[in-house]
Amino acid sequence: KNQVEQSPQSLIILEGKNCTLQCNYTVSPFSNLRWYKQDTGRGPVSLTIMTFSENTKSNGRYTATLDADTKQSSLHITASQLSDSASYICVVSGRNTGKLIFGQGTTLQVKP
Amino acid sequence: KAGVTQTPRYLIKTRGQQVTLSCSPISGHRSVSWYQQTPGQGLQFLFEYFSETQRNKGNFPGRFSGRQFSNSRSEMNVSTLELGDSALYLCASSLDASAWGTDTQYFGPGTRLTVL
Repeated sequence: KNQVEQSPQSLIILEGKNCTLQCNYTVSPFSNLRWYKQDTGRGPVSLTIMTFSENTKSNGRYTATLDADTKQSSLHITASQLSDSASYICVVSGRNTGKLIFGQGTTLQVKP
Repeated sequence: KAGVTQTPRYLIKTRGQQVTLSCSPISGHRSVSWYQQTPGQGLQFLFEYFSETQRNKGNFPGRFSGRQFSNSRSEMNVSTLELGDSALYLCASSLDASAWGTDTQYFGPGTRLTVL
């Protein structure tokens, strides 16, 4: 069964610290993997999109990595800010299947 | 450039009724996707429309349907509402078919549907 699992489920860090969120998937064959940020009460915002041939992609203080062999991705947030408090969702697209599989998300809280 | 807009933002219905939600994509975007988000199930893909044609569909019952107009605006309809249909319904637009490609999807603020 195609699945996307994210860890941790929730995370609390102090402002200015770095953190890494994990996403493991079993979707195969794989087309691309996306990370979204969703603030409470708002729609998700795209952070990064990676195809199976890409290993890393950055968007400001957000850096996503992908290991297609082990089917793992991570999202690294550098020098966290209070505005980084949100849910982070990993989404995997299956090649030729027309299906998007969503992770349950990681809720990040950045405290001053 | 205006973002994705969804109307209404909030809706309260009773079981058995039907509801229609509307989504206006970013100007020039031809692909519109719909998603359901609940605390228990998270985000789930409903369907995607491109140039007035449904290109892909998620695993939802036939009570959930949609359509896209020539101006790319899209509507989603849910008939015979059930309590479990209470959710945030999100629509996203992109320039081209987005579910498998690498076009960035832009989400609207969502419609919060409550079924009593």
